Amino acid sequence: DAGVIQSPRHEVTEMGQEVTLRCKPISGHNSLFWYRQTMMRGLELLIYFNNNVPIDDSGMPEDRFSAKMPNASFSTLKIQPSEPRDSAVYFCASSLELAVKKSYNEQFFGPGTRLTVL
Amino acid sequence: AQSVAQPEDQVNVAEGNPLTVKCTYSVSGNPYLFWYVQYPNRGLQFLLKYITGDNLVKGSYGFEAEFNKSQTSFHLKKPSALVSDSALYFCAVRDMDTGRRALTFGSGTRLQVQP
Repeated sequence: DAGVIQSPRHEVTEMGQEVTLRCKPISGHNSLFWYRQTMMRGLELLIYFNNNVPIDDSGMPEDRFSAKMPNASFSTLKIQPSEPRDSAVYFCASSLELAVKKSYNEQFFGPGTRLTVL
Repeated sequence: AQSVAQPEDQVNVAEGNPLTVKCTYSVSGNPYLFWYVQYPNRGLQFLLKYITGDNLVKGSYGFEAEFNKSQTSFHLKKPSALVSDSALYFCAVRDMDTGRRALTFGSGTRLQVQP
């Protein structure tokens, strides 16, 4: 298995431009998570999906951020318009969540997308 | 609400010596606990987890962690450090008794192993 795949690995853009980050989770996993990592705030959960449905988007900073998961093998995180304070490393992670509440498997992380907004 | 504290920004240890990276947590219910490691320019890699059962959990690369419910701690340990263990280590928690499936991560501890 190739693991979680993210693209692009690096993105440099100018303030005001739209940015789209992409993620392909591990095949068979049914939960997908988007995180943001910065020096100031550490690792923050932005949103997570279970069976392609957004479950918790309370970490999404503001309306400029949106995430979709049109099918089990693809998700996007979009920032429109982008701002310099959005500069960070964005990670996608996936896991297999069983229906039973007390079972939990670890999350597998992608390599991240380093976003720089000038 | 759930939270994780990693009180040390950096831990320095000589190669061959034992290492400990500290983690304490707070959840309203019972915890699931995890340790991840991050090498430069890489994503986080899973090391080990505590779900239930034996308080001493063994994981990848010779690491282990001890769950202590009374002290709400889950410290990461290794008997003999390697230079290649130098990396950023994250502790994470999830409340077993809530429906929220996302992890809360600590701020990370940088481990530096000197040759």
